Amino acid sequence: DAGVIQSPRHEVTEMGQEVTLRCKPISGHDYLFWYRQTMMRGLELLIYFNNNVPIDDSGMPEDRFSAKMPNASFSTLKIQPSEPRDSAVYFCASRTGNVDNEQFFGPGTRLTVL
Amino acid sequence: GENVEQHPSTLSVQEGDSAVIKCTYSDSASNYFPWYKQELGKGPQLIIDIRSNVGEKKDQRIAVTLNKTAKHFSLHITETQPEDSAVYFCAAGLYNFNKFYFGSGTKLNVKP
Repeated sequence: DAGVIQSPRHEVTEMGQEVTLRCKPISGHDYLFWYRQTMMRGLELLIYFNNNVPIDDSGMPEDRFSAKMPNASFSTLKIQPSEPRDSAVYFCASRTGNVDNEQFFGPGTRLTVL
Repeated sequence: GENVEQHPSTLSVQEGDSAVIKCTYSDSASNYFPWYKQELGKGPQLIIDIRSNVGEKKDQRIAVTLNKTAKHFSLHITETQPEDSAVYFCAAGLYNFNKFYFGSGTKLNVKP
């Protein structure tokens, strides 16, 4: 298996622009997670899905952030409009629906908002 | 909510020595404590976890201990090797739930 796939790996954009991050979970995994990692706040859970349905989005910082999972093999995290403080590494992770908590993380997308 | 504190923030050891990383948590309801290793440019990877019904778990050179009364848990790496160099994160949460609270990370450097 290729593992969790994220694209792009690096994104540089200007303040006010829309940014879309993409994730392909491991095939057969029922749960998908979006995390944000910064030096100041560490690793934070933004939102997670179960069977394509958002379950907990309490970590989404503002209405500028939105996430979708239109099917079992694809999810997006969108920031509109982007701000410099959104600069971070965004990770996607997935896991099975079994009683096994291991989440498999993707390589991350490093976002820089100028 | 849960608050997880992790120490030290950086740790440098000589190859072959042991390394210990400590975490404390605030929510006594937490019953699941995973540890992740993050190598440069990669996502975190689970290396060991422990549930609150046991006090210690070992996997080859890695062990984790848990003291529920004191609300702290530790990662022990013995016979460290250069490839152990990475950032290590502890986390706390509820087993079979999906929201973990992560510590701030420890950058481990193993000098050959």
